[in-house]
Amino acid sequence: GQNIDQPTEMTATEGAIVQINCTYQTSGFNGLFWYQQHAGEAPTFLSYNVLDGLEEKGRFSSFLSRSKGYSYLLLKELQMKDSASYLCAVRVYHSGNTPLVFGKGTRLSVIA
Amino acid sequence: GAGVSQSPSNKVTEKGKDVELRCDPISGHTALYWYRQSLGQGLEFLIYFQGNSAPDKSGLPSDRFSAERTGGSVSTLTIQRTQQEDSAVYLCASSLEVTNNSPLHFGNGTRLTVT
Repeated sequence: GQNIDQPTEMTATEGAIVQINCTYQTSGFNGLFWYQQHAGEAPTFLSYNVLDGLEEKGRFSSFLSRSKGYSYLLLKELQMKDSASYLCAVRVYHSGNTPLVFGKGTRLSVIA
Repeated sequence: GAGVSQSPSNKVTEKGKDVELRCDPISGHTALYWYRQSLGQGLEFLIYFQGNSAPDKSGLPSDRFSAERTGGSVSTLTIQRTQQEDSAVYLCASSLEVTNNSPLHFGNGTRLTVT
């Protein structure tokens, strides 16, 4: 089976940097996605990693280490609007690509 | 519309009744997915469609759940004889294809409450 672990909750200060970790145990790994979900809203796509290394996109960066089964999402210059849940999701390959398997999400609270 | 559209946005039903949830994906997206999200839980995969066929139904919780997709577009998720544990937000998503880097685009969901 697949297992994806993320911290349940985190708190960080406006203007600071926060790192949200995700570890996974899957077979046939074929990519990792990060989504942002504000309360009562749909998840929205943030980033995709399939090769090792860092992908930067504005204030958000995502890192992947396939050998360690580890990823993190880095948020810089935090803003109040960044308060949301952040979902880590893995695409698994079993005789073809399969739908994304999601972790339970990390609820981030940004405080003044 | 530009995004994934789901209806109804909210549904309250009595235990034992049947419900039908609708999803209209982004035009041109061949893959369509149903997930559900319970309070404090992650997204639970239910079923996905590639075109009109459903290669993976492994996530459907019981035989009370079924889904279909016609014309490669709109999909309906039907829950028969609803139970209180079916209460959740049902999210639909679509993607261009089921390829490595094709992200899922989600609708706003249907919040189902079974009383």
